[in-house]
Amino acid sequence: DGGITQSPKYLFRKEGQNVTLSCEQNLNHDAMYWYRQDPGQGLRLIYYSQIVNDFQKGDIAEGYSVSREKKESFPLTVTSAQKNPTAFYLCASSTGQGRYMNTEAFFGQGTRLTVV
Amino acid sequence: GQQVMQIPQYQHVQEGEDFTTYCNSSTTLSNIQWYKQRPGGHPVFLIQLVKSGEVKKQKRLTFQFGEAKKNSSLHITATQTTDVGTYFCAAPAMEYGNKLVFGAGTILRVKS
Repeated sequence: DGGITQSPKYLFRKEGQNVTLSCEQNLNHDAMYWYRQDPGQGLRLIYYSQIVNDFQKGDIAEGYSVSREKKESFPLTVTSAQKNPTAFYLCASSTGQGRYMNTEAFFGQGTRLTVV
Repeated sequence: GQQVMQIPQYQHVQEGEDFTTYCNSSTTLSNIQWYKQRPGGHPVFLIQLVKSGEVKKQKRLTFQFGEAKKNSSLHITATQTTDVGTYFCAAPAMEYGNKLVFGAGTILRVKS
C-alpha cells in the first residue's frame, strides 16, 4: 500500500539528548514537510523540502535539523537545543508539482515525543 | 511570511445545529485546501478549491472559495457526533517552494 510512515509512534527522551524521528513515503512525492502540534493548537512548520538534497527552514526551525538524501525519506532530529520538545510531530508529503504546487498533502500517523 | 487566519478557534454545538469555520488571507491564494483531524489522529485531506467563487459539496459539508480568492469557508449542516475534530484550512505560500501554510484550526465539539 502506498502511504507515508512515521516511526516510532511514541518516543521518550531524556533532557540533553538528541533524538531522530523517521518519516518514509512511497508515494513518489517531491515535497515533504515536518510540522509540530501542541495540545489544542494548530500545525507549525518546522522544515520543508521540495527536492532531494534541498530543504528550507519553516517558522520554528530552531533546535531541529533535517536531511533529504533520498526522495522517500525526510528524518527530523530534535536536538538538545530545542528547549520545549514535548509535542506531537507530523510528517507530510505532497506532489509539489505543476502550477498549483502542493496539492493534497498526505500525513503520517505522527510521533508523540515526551521529554522525561 | 504569508499567514492564513482561521476563526473561530473553538466551537461547541448541539447535535443537529450547523457549524461554519472561516479562513482569511491578506494575499490572493492559488488554491485552498481543507483538512480534518479527529481527536488523537492526523490531518486528513477533505477537498481543494482552485477557482474564484468555487463551491463544492460533500454530503453535509459545503466548501466555498471567495471571489477574490482571499477567503474560504467550510459549513457543516446538521452536525453529528462523527463531525467532532479540528478543521484546518491550508494554502501554498507565494514564496520559495510554495510551502503549505496551515491555519490555526477550528476545534469542533458536538453535544448529543
